Amino acid sequence: DAGITQSPRHKVTETGTPVTLRCHQTENHRYMYWYRQDPGHGLRLIHYSYGVKDTDKGEVSDGYSVSRSKTEDFLLTLESATSSQTSVYFCAIRTGYEQYFGPGTRLTVT
Amino acid sequence: DQQVKQNSPSLSVQEGRISILNCDYTNSMFDYFLWYKKYPAEGPTFLISISSIKDKNEDGRFTVFLNKSAKHLSLHIVPSQPGDSAVYFCAATNFGNEKLTFGTGTRLTIIP
Repeated sequence: DAGITQSPRHKVTETGTPVTLRCHQTENHRYMYWYRQDPGHGLRLIHYSYGVKDTDKGEVSDGYSVSRSKTEDFLLTLESATSSQTSVYFCAIRTGYEQYFGPGTRLTVT
Repeated sequence: DQQVKQNSPSLSVQEGRISILNCDYTNSMFDYFLWYKKYPAEGPTFLISISSIKDKNEDGRFTVFLNKSAKHLSLHIVPSQPGDSAVYFCAATNFGNEKLTFGTGTRLTIIP
């Protein structure tokens, strides 16, 4: 258990509305990541952070933004949700080469 | 461009037999490889890893083999148990890279 929590765990929202997902860690890890998991695509990196206010894009960053104002919190925002963003979202932290994941947020955009 | 490939979307194995999950990669810069296991409605959990300086790493019932010349790694589970039924992802990275590249996953079903 890497001390990672995600909120909310489930969310249903309408197309065009903004959505923010939160990842919280308790062990002061420098690196934090946001992934989405979709059938046939595995885990794809959206954005990651290497410190407070330091973030970079992953392979599927379009339509998403992130913020990290405190070490323990990494927020993922969908500015205007679309149906293609229906997915399961996972947050992760890094220790050495390994990454450890949170329990996930299932997001449905109707 | 899929740099890490798991060509078998699913695999069924009898309980007690060996499960072999395969993974291929194309990026010759990768020098560290990981396997993750994922149950439904949970996050992926780290299972085992191997560095490119080794060709085998073992942890209990789990062994990972790396064939660098073929750019191929495999995860062996012996003996397979019902609790091993899950989706398995392989991932790869290299020294200095903060990111992991994941395969698309293989769903393993252990038949009692």
